[in-house]
Amino acid sequence: DVKVTQSSRYLVKRTGEKVFLECVQDMDHENMFWYRQDPGLGLRLIYFSYDVKMKEKGDIPEGYSVSREKKERFSLILESASTNQTSMYLCASNSGGPSNQPQHFGDGTRLSIL
Amino acid sequence: DAKTTQPNSMESNEEEPVHLPCNHSTISGTDYIHWYRQLPSQGPEYVIHGLTSNVNNRMASLAIAEDRKSSTLILHRATLRDAAVYYCILRNPRQGAQKLVFGQGTRLTINP
Repeated sequence: DVKVTQSSRYLVKRTGEKVFLECVQDMDHENMFWYRQDPGLGLRLIYFSYDVKMKEKGDIPEGYSVSREKKERFSLILESASTNQTSMYLCASNSGGPSNQPQHFGDGTRLSIL
Repeated sequence: DAKTTQPNSMESNEEEPVHLPCNHSTISGTDYIHWYRQLPSQGPEYVIHGLTSNVNNRMASLAIAEDRKSSTLILHRATLRDAAVYYCILRNPRQGAQKLVFGQGTRLTINP
């Protein structure tokens, strides 16, 4: 089975801090994604990466950056955390090729910014 | 992605089959039907997908209508662990966009 592991289930940080969320997948997938999920707003794509060192902006990239130095690892960085970034963050991965390949998700990181 | 319509909620009993419907009347010929579910406090989980023929895997079965305007996810013997929100979405491999967009989904409650 595909395993996508997010470094923390719960995280509490203060406004202005630089926050790192880590994600690792063990299936040699080309594509990796970062979403956030908020009540009433559903799932929203922040960034995705289709190869090492490659990244594409999603729908809501403002205030975030990403890093993919190795194929298995995709990091989400909140440059200067703000309270409106309190959310559930979800990492996903899938194999390259047709864009209808299933995405496999981690358990999520519930981030609170105080 | 084309739209899908699902009931807001459904309820069933443990160890009974569950049939979760999804309508997608504007489906195109190259759209695949995907199902995901999300258990409380967890990330979404891929369940199954298909194009035209019915599909089975260890988690569920997917029955697709002949005109493809509707489909049904079948859980053959529900357990308490199957209580989740189930999302039916359409995915087109010819379209470049990779992001998943979930609708409201169906909240499934399983009674002991």
